[in-house]
Amino acid sequence: DAKTTQPPSMDCAEGRAANLPCNHSTISGNEYVYWYRQIHSQGPQYIIHGLKNNETNEMASLIITEDRKSSTLILPHATLRDTAVYYCIVSVLGAQKLVFGQGTRLTINP
Amino acid sequence: DTAVSQTPKYLVTQMGNDKSIKCEQNLGHDTMYWYKQDSKKFLKIMFSYNNKELIINETVPNRFSPKSPDKAHLNLHINSLELGDSAVYFCASSHGSQREQFFGPGTRLTVL
Repeated sequence: DAKTTQPPSMDCAEGRAANLPCNHSTISGNEYVYWYRQIHSQGPQYIIHGLKNNETNEMASLIITEDRKSSTLILPHATLRDTAVYYCIVSVLGAQKLVFGQGTRLTINP
Repeated sequence: DTAVSQTPKYLVTQMGNDKSIKCEQNLGHDTMYWYKQDSKKFLKIMFSYNNKELIINETVPNRFSPKSPDKAHLNLHINSLELGDSAVYFCASSHGSQREQFFGPGTRLTVL
C-alpha cells in the first residue's frame, strides 16, 4: 500500500509556481522519493526523484525536508499542459515496483 | 520512434473470451512491467519481468499469463475474461536499477 499522503486536489494559476506537498513520515533511510504524473488518458510520466538533497531538472524541483518526512514538488511556471494527477511515491532505488497512491489532481487555470 | 508501445489501444470483448495485449519497448531496457488501472483510477502493478524472467507477480489470478519472448517484448494474455477485468492496462520498462520507468500509452479493455 502507498506510504504517502497527498491532498486530493489543488488549483494553480497559469504562469505561477505550483507547489505540491507530500507526507511520507514512515520513509526508511534507503527509500527515495519519486514523483510521477499522469496526464488524462496517458501513461504515467517520470518527473524527478531524490533521497535527501534538493533536486532540480528541466521539469521541476524537489524539496525534501531535513527529517525526510515530507517533500514538495515545485513546477516553477505552470502551464495548462501541466494539468494532471501527480503521484508521490517512496521506494528503494531500483525496487522494480512502484506503489501508486491516489495522487493530487492538479488543475492549472488560465 | 515510440519508446514503449502497446497494441491494441482499445479492446472490447465478451465475457469468457481470451485476449492478448502486446507491449514492445525500443529503449534497450531489461525490465518490463504490467500495471492495471481500474475505474477508480488506482494504478497497481501486476507483473515485472527482468531479462525474460518473472520477478514480481502481485497476486494476480492465473487467468492472466504474461509472456516475454525477448527482452523487448512483454505480452499479456488473459483467459476467460470477466467483467472485473475491465480497466486500462499499462506496460512499462526500465533499465534494471535505473531511477525511472517509462510507460506505454495504455490499452483500455472493456469486457461486456
